Amino acid sequence: NAGVTQTPKFQVLKTGQSMTLQCAQDMNHNSMYWYRQDPGMGLRLIYYSASEGTTDKGEVPNGYNVSRLNKREFSLRLESAAPSQTSVYFCASSFSAGELFFGEGSRLTVL
Amino acid sequence: GQQLNQSPQSMFIQEGEDVSMNCTSSSIFNTWLWYKQDPGEGPVLLIALYKAGELTSNGRLTAQFGITRKDSFLNISASIPSDVGIYFCAGRNSGGSNYKLTFGKGTLLTVNP
Repeated sequence: NAGVTQTPKFQVLKTGQSMTLQCAQDMNHNSMYWYRQDPGMGLRLIYYSASEGTTDKGEVPNGYNVSRLNKREFSLRLESAAPSQTSVYFCASSFSAGELFFGEGSRLTVL
Repeated sequence: GQQLNQSPQSMFIQEGEDVSMNCTSSSIFNTWLWYKQDPGEGPVLLIALYKAGELTSNGRLTAQFGITRKDSFLNISASIPSDVGIYFCAGRNSGGSNYKLTFGKGTLLTVNP
């Protein structure tokens, strides 16, 4: 079982470039999430989607957009990348408000 | 926003020792979760707690949901080198959007063989 799959695993961008992080889950979960992890900051919620067709802001949404493409897929887009967005990004999914299952992470560097 | 205070920030122990870490919150939670993150990997769920006072074990790991509903503890007994990693607590409350988990900042555990 793949669980939660994120692509790409590594990416280097220049300031101002755009990119989309892709996430797909095969566990038939209703809810999906995007977190970022920075040293000493733990995991901070960027956006989440409680169910297909809905998205809501988390703790640190500025500079990001999301799309819940279907029940399986939830993408995170950076329209104009900034060095402050250098981080490790994790996608997660759950049954409604249940336990979260995480992907392996996408490491993004913005120069 | 809600905050979780997780302590200690880091621990250096010898193989075979027991480990304790905890999280406290200013808010009441109705769910506590404990995750472990290995280097270069995503967090993996260790234990989930849903009732105040609940004590749950998973092998050498034991976690408790505090009676006040504002804290939780994780104990690891007889540590081994593969216990190395970052341990996160996470809590969810019943107010507002209960889809949001609040994470602690993590405890970095190093085990010396």
